[in-house]
Amino acid sequence: NAGVMQNPRHLVRRRGQEARLRCSPMKGHSHVYWYRQLPEEGLKFMVYLQKENIIDESGMPKERFSAEFPKEGPSILRIQQVVRGDSAAYFCASSPGDGNTIYFGEGSWLTVV
Amino acid sequence: GENVEQHPSTLSVQEGDSAVIKCTYSDSASNYFPWYKQELGKRPQLIIDIRSNVGEKKDQRIAVTLNKTAKHFSLHITETQPEDSAVYFCAASIQAGTALIFGKGTTLSVSS
Repeated sequence: NAGVMQNPRHLVRRRGQEARLRCSPMKGHSHVYWYRQLPEEGLKFMVYLQKENIIDESGMPKERFSAEFPKEGPSILRIQQVVRGDSAAYFCASSPGDGNTIYFGEGSWLTVV
Repeated sequence: GENVEQHPSTLSVQEGDSAVIKCTYSDSASNYFPWYKQELGKRPQLIIDIRSNVGEKKDQRIAVTLNKTAKHFSLHITETQPEDSAVYFCAASIQAGTALIFGKGTTLSVSS
């Protein structure tokens, strides 16, 4: 059973470009979470999605960030017009349902130059 | 929303000693409290969790205790080993459609 798959693992973008991070949950999991981790900081919740629905986006910045989890295909975290402060590790996690253990992917490291 | 505070931010112990990390949470409706271990450059991995109907849970050298009245929970690692060195995160959530909220982490260093 493959774990949570994230790609790309490493992404370099110039300021002003767009970054797209993809996450495929574990088989049988319908809940996806995105977290951001800045260097030497904790895991900051961004957004929680189920298939075709955003359940909680209280941690998402109001501008430039969006997330989706379509009926088919991976969840995508999209960052438009990236700035240097967006440089971070972005972790995706999945779970089979509310209140259950979440399992993390290996993360996507975004560097904005 | 939920807020989780974690202490200490760094902890250094000698091999064989015990380590204790403490967390407090704000939402009394929270009922699921996992702990994750993250090694440098790697993903967080679940090491133990506890639900609010249980006061204590143990798995070999690791134990977690929960005090719902005081809204705090703790991770205890006994007989620490150098491979226990990592960042440990506590988290809390309620079941109904909310995500895990994490503490800021504790960097544990075990020296031999």
